[in-house]
Amino acid sequence: ELKVEQNPLFLSMQEGKNYTIYCNYSTTSDRLYWYRQDPGKSLESLFVLLSNGAVKQEGRLMASLDTKARLSTLHITAAVHDLSATYFCAVVNFGNEKLTFGTGTRLTIIP
Amino acid sequence: EPEVTQTPSHQVTQMGQEVILRCVPISNHLYFYWYRQILGQKVEFLVSFYNNEISEKSEIFDDQFSVERPDGSNFTLKIRSTKLEDSAMYFCASTTDRNNEQFFGPGTRLTVL
Repeated sequence: ELKVEQNPLFLSMQEGKNYTIYCNYSTTSDRLYWYRQDPGKSLESLFVLLSNGAVKQEGRLMASLDTKARLSTLHITAAVHDLSATYFCAVVNFGNEKLTFGTGTRLTIIP
Repeated sequence: EPEVTQTPSHQVTQMGQEVILRCVPISNHLYFYWYRQILGQKVEFLVSFYNNEISEKSEIFDDQFSVERPDGSNFTLKIRSTKLEDSAMYFCASTTDRNNEQFFGPGTRLTVL
């Protein structure tokens, strides 16, 4: 059974600092997604990572995938307050279609 | 831009009552999903649906749950006899192909009293 773990679960950081969220998964996968969720809201797709070594960047967020280590990272550069949200990674198994979500990382950026 | 819509946004019901949550997927999408998120927890897969039948379901999706595409546009999730532990946010998602990104609706918050 595919398991997806994220750490940290909670992250409080000051504006302007850099930090990384980690997503580990237990079996081989052919796709990994990062989502953002604001309180009480739906899931906003941030990145889709399809292959080993994939790196994608949008603004202050950068995601990477290492399929050999079964690890994805979401790096935040020079955080700003409006990045405060919960971030989820989600993994799809080969031959499957359902998303298996990680535990989520609740990020709070302190001014 | 096309989007997945869900109604109602919030549903309050008494334990033991039936509820139907409605979703309108993006019009050219063929694969449909329901997920749920208990407050403060991660998102969990419930069921996938294609070509008018369930293609996969999780352990959560027991005999109390059913899905239907009654009219070619709506996609519904029915819970026959709600329990307190069914209280959660329910998200519908759709996609053009099982290998493509799923697009999520805004969710229905179900509160069972």
